[in-house]
Amino acid sequence: EVQLVESGGGLVQPGGSLRLSCAASGFTFGGYDMHWVRQGRGKGLEWVSGIDAAGDTYYPGSVKGRFTISRESGKNSLYLQMNNLRVEDTALYYCARAGLYCSGTNCYRMFDDWGQGTLVTVSS
Amino acid sequence: DIQMTQSPSSLSASVGDRVTITCRASQSIKNYLNWYQQKPGRAPKVLIYGATTLQSGVPSRFSGSGSGTDFTLTISSLQPEDVATYYCQQSFGTLLTFGPGTKVDI
Repeated sequence: EVQLVESGGGLVQPGGSLRLSCAASGFTFGGYDMHWVRQGRGKGLEWVSGIDAAGDTYYPGSVKGRFTISRESGKNSLYLQMNNLRVEDTALYYCARAGLYCSGTNCYRMFDDWGQGTLVTVSS
Repeated sequence: DIQMTQSPSSLSASVGDRVTITCRASQSIKNYLNWYQQKPGRAPKVLIYGATTLQSGVPSRFSGSGSGTDFTLTISSLQPEDVATYYCQQSFGTLLTFGPGTKVDI
């Protein structure tokens, strides 16, 4: 059974830093792209960062230069280093696995497994 | 970046009704479109990938259609357990984006 367990959330002041972790089990961690997705209270889903199996990383403009995603295959762990945090970064942060599914001759990536999230609150 | 919109933002329907949710991309994403269901207090769950393919274990009353920029999620006969918020998400580019969501109530 796939399990993704996030940790590291908490209360931090604006301008501060936090490091989130995601412990993965039940699958071959090194073979999958992994992502962070966040959700503000009462708000929609926002993709925050992704790292592919080769270690290439991707970020939306809202966090680029402030957030760094990384992975450690030997520990089956995913990380998100968040610097210069802003009030608007307050959210529940989910770790998500991106599975590759093929239909006919095309293959598609989707978030096929999610953790339960860790809450980050940025407030003075 | 590719922007995603959804309509309506919320809807209320009766048990057994046919429900349709629309998702539109700001540029062609071919059929790289996924649909997720999120129930209150729970993590999202994928329903459909590749615009039309039902994920394993998802009830057949859910279906997806569309390609290019316009997509639809249909629930053929709404059930009480379908109360949730539904999100579309494009996986065409390396920068991924979700729609704003559609809340479905009974």
